Parts: sequence; C-alpha cells; structure tokens
Amino acid sequence: NAGVTQTPKFQVLKTGQSMTLQCAQDMNHNSMYWYRQDPGMGLRLIYYSASEGTTDKGEVPNGYNVSRLNKREFSLRLESAAPSQTSVYFCASSEARDQPQHFGDGTRLSIL
Amino acid sequence: RKEVEQDPGPFNVPEGATVAFNCTYSNSASQSFFWYRQDCRKEPKLLMSVYSSGNEDGRFTAQLNRASQYISLLIRDSKLSDSATYLCVVRRNTGFQKLVFGTGTRLLVSP
Repeated sequence: NAGVTQTPKFQVLKTGQSMTLQCAQDMNHNSMYWYRQDPGMGLRLIYYSASEGTTDKGEVPNGYNVSRLNKREFSLRLESAAPSQTSVYFCASSEARDQPQHFGDGTRLSIL
Repeated sequence: RKEVEQDPGPFNVPEGATVAFNCTYSNSASQSFFWYRQDCRKEPKLLMSVYSSGNEDGRFTAQLNRASQYISLLIRDSKLSDSATYLCVVRRNTGFQKLVFGTGTRLLVSP
C-alpha cells in the first residue's frame, strides 16, 4: 500500500521555468492538499481539493495552480518559477476535510 | 498572535527521561486536536489524536485543557528514536483551512 506518492522527489529549476508536481493517493480519500514547508514557518496550505471536481485556494496560492485530475490525483503547477518558491512541497490526503491527513514524502524544489 | 503556537525547542533530554510539550491555540471554538511527528527531512506522520478526556498510547499521553486553550504531549521513558519534531494540529470549525499546523517542537534524545 503506497499511500500518498509524490513525484519528483527533487528538482532544480531556473527562474521563469514551469513545472508540475504530481501527487497520487491509493486510499480512496476524498480530500487532497498541497502544502509548502519553509524553515520557521510550518506547513502552509497552498491549495486543496475537498472532493473530486473541486479545488480551492489555501493560505498561499499566488504563483500556483492545481488540477484534481480524478479522485486519485492532484497536481500542483508552477507557471513561472521564482526563487521565493524554493521550498519543500508536501501533498496530503484525508478521508474528509476534518480528518487527519496522510502525507507524501515531499518534493524538494530549488529555484535558482 | 499565531492561531497555533509551540515552543520550537530544542528540548534536549537523556534517554529514559520524561518530557512534555505544550501547544496553545487561539480559537476557542476549535474542536479537534492532533499530534504529528516529523523526522528530519521527512513527511509529517500522525502520532495521535487528542481527546477531551485525554488519551494514552504506550509511552505517549495527550491532554486537552479547553479552559486554558492548550494541548500537551507527554513522552515517558524517552528513546533515541523519539528524536523528531512534534507538530501540534488544530481543527478549525470555519474557514477554508480545516486543519492548522503549528511550527513544531524539536526533541533531541541523547544516550
């Protein structure tokens, strides 16, 4: 049982490049989330999807877009990467929005 | 004031010691509380939920004090493997973000 799978695990981009972070869960969870974690800031919610077919902005959505492709997959896109987006990105899922979340093992993204 | 506040630590304790962390929350209407554990450069993992009456899971005890708006985590007989960052998580009743994460308390257990 893989749980929540994120790809890639590491990525280095140049400013202005675009890329998509992939996330898939095999727990049949309804809700999925994208967070970023920076030193001293804790986990901050970028976007979430309460259920298949819906997406909503979180605390720090600027510079990002998301797609809930189906119940399993929730991708995060950086259209024009900026150095301020250097961070560790975590995808998570939960049975419902108020249930404990299960996390993927993260994507470490550096933007030069 | 942050919605969820934790002492960042680090708490340095010897193996076998008992250690406790507190976490304060500002929203008195918060309903559910959790402790997550995060190892260095790894993903957060659910450690335990926190129930109104308090709950225990092996060496770990979680307590909730609604009057003073804090939750606590007590670890007895600390092991080297307990070294990690412990995240306090609070569920909001309103707003887009149902779960709010604290920035974590770092624990270092030494031989």
